[in-house]
Amino acid sequence: NAGVTQTPKFRILKIGQSMTLQCTQDMNHNYMYWYRQDPGMGLKLIYYSVGAGITDKGEVPNGYNVSRSTTEDFPLRLELAAPSQTSVYFCASSPGDNTEAFFGQGTRLTVV
Amino acid sequence: AQSVTQPDIHITVSEGASLELRCNYSYGATPYLFWYVQSPGQGLQLLLKYFSGDTLVQGIKGFEAEFKRSQSSFNLRKPSVHWSDAAEYFCAVGPNTGGFKTIFGAGTRLFVKA
Repeated sequence: NAGVTQTPKFRILKIGQSMTLQCTQDMNHNYMYWYRQDPGMGLKLIYYSVGAGITDKGEVPNGYNVSRSTTEDFPLRLELAAPSQTSVYFCASSPGDNTEAFFGQGTRLTVV
Repeated sequence: AQSVTQPDIHITVSEGASLELRCNYSYGATPYLFWYVQSPGQGLQLLLKYFSGDTLVQGIKGFEAEFKRSQSSFNLRKPSVHWSDAAEYFCAVGPNTGGFKTIFGAGTRLFVKA
């Protein structure tokens, strides 16, 4: 099983550019999440979705947008990239509320 | 406020020695508790979880954790560490009342010396 797949693995953006981080899962999970991981800070929830067509803000949503048109895909959009968005981004999915989360391998993003 | 504290940023243990990683939480309701491990360049993988019942839970790779409600703790233990256990470990806490609000600790990086 592929599980949760994120692309790209690495990306360098210039300030003001935009990009989309892709996330797809093949486990038919209803719940999907985007986190960012900064050194010494653990994981912070950016956005989450409880099913196709339903998304909600997490702890640190500013500067990001998401959509969930299908169960499988949950892309994260960065508009007007800023240095503060330099981080490692993880997508995850789970079959239900507060069950085990399955994580992708992450996208390391640098904004210069 | 809800929070998860992992007091140790990093720990170094000798191979074959025992390990205990600490996790304390502040949570208004009865929590769900998780420990995840992150190997370098990888995503997080669940080691074990506690939802209810026996407060000593067994996980993968020989790890166990004990939920102590009176101390608001969920410490991770392993009796004999292997070099392959070197990784970062995250404690996480979530509500059992619905709504995904899991909070992750800042992580403890484990170094294993030969």
